[in-house]
Amino acid sequence: DGGITQSPKYLFRKEGQNVTLSCEQNLNHDAMYWYRQDPGQGLRLIYYSQIVNDFQKGDIAEGYSVSREKKESFPLTVTSAQKNPTAFYLCASSISTGRSYNEQFFGPGTRLTVL
Amino acid sequence: DAKTTQPPSMDCAEGRAANLPCNHSTISGNEYVYWYRQIHSQGPQYIIHGLKNNETNEMASLIITEDRKSSTLILPHATLRDTAVYYCIVRVYSNYQLIWGAGTKLIIKP
Repeated sequence: DGGITQSPKYLFRKEGQNVTLSCEQNLNHDAMYWYRQDPGQGLRLIYYSQIVNDFQKGDIAEGYSVSREKKESFPLTVTSAQKNPTAFYLCASSISTGRSYNEQFFGPGTRLTVL
Repeated sequence: DAKTTQPPSMDCAEGRAANLPCNHSTISGNEYVYWYRQIHSQGPQYIIHGLKNNETNEMASLIITEDRKSSTLILPHATLRDTAVYYCIVRVYSNYQLIWGAGTKLIIKP
């Protein structure tokens, strides 16, 4: 089945540790995205990538880093510089970003708790 | 900042049509309106999108006013499984990104 997988579903880390969240898609999509969601809020864009080896900062990129070495993979690292990392993290992909429409397909999310 | 305004919550009886309003008074002429929904603690699911004309698919209908300053998502026969947070989103023309607000929590009651 085609889709987006994120692992793990729940993640616990100690304050000050870096942590990497996995996102894989087999939809052959060019574009991939990382969002953060806090309780009762909408999604906020962290980073997005339109093509392999290229990515752009979103609205809240500080304290996060990404890589896009393969088309199907877009891991997100939450660094110790992120002041409030506890949140629900969602990965998405779309065929591209520049078309007249842009249906984004979402993974199940990773809930990160920093203790 | 979000470019849309939605009521924080709504109720609807099972089997009735659910009408979810959205205001987007600052939308530009080439910006699309998208609707997604999110069932608790899951990834959002695409519902429908439109630019100027009304749109319909197997899930819902989207009615956009002539001046494009507001729209309504219609779920024709709501079921309990339609209970979710519904997001009305404007796709920014400059970078094609989706700007998400806080959405409307729709509760379908038996």
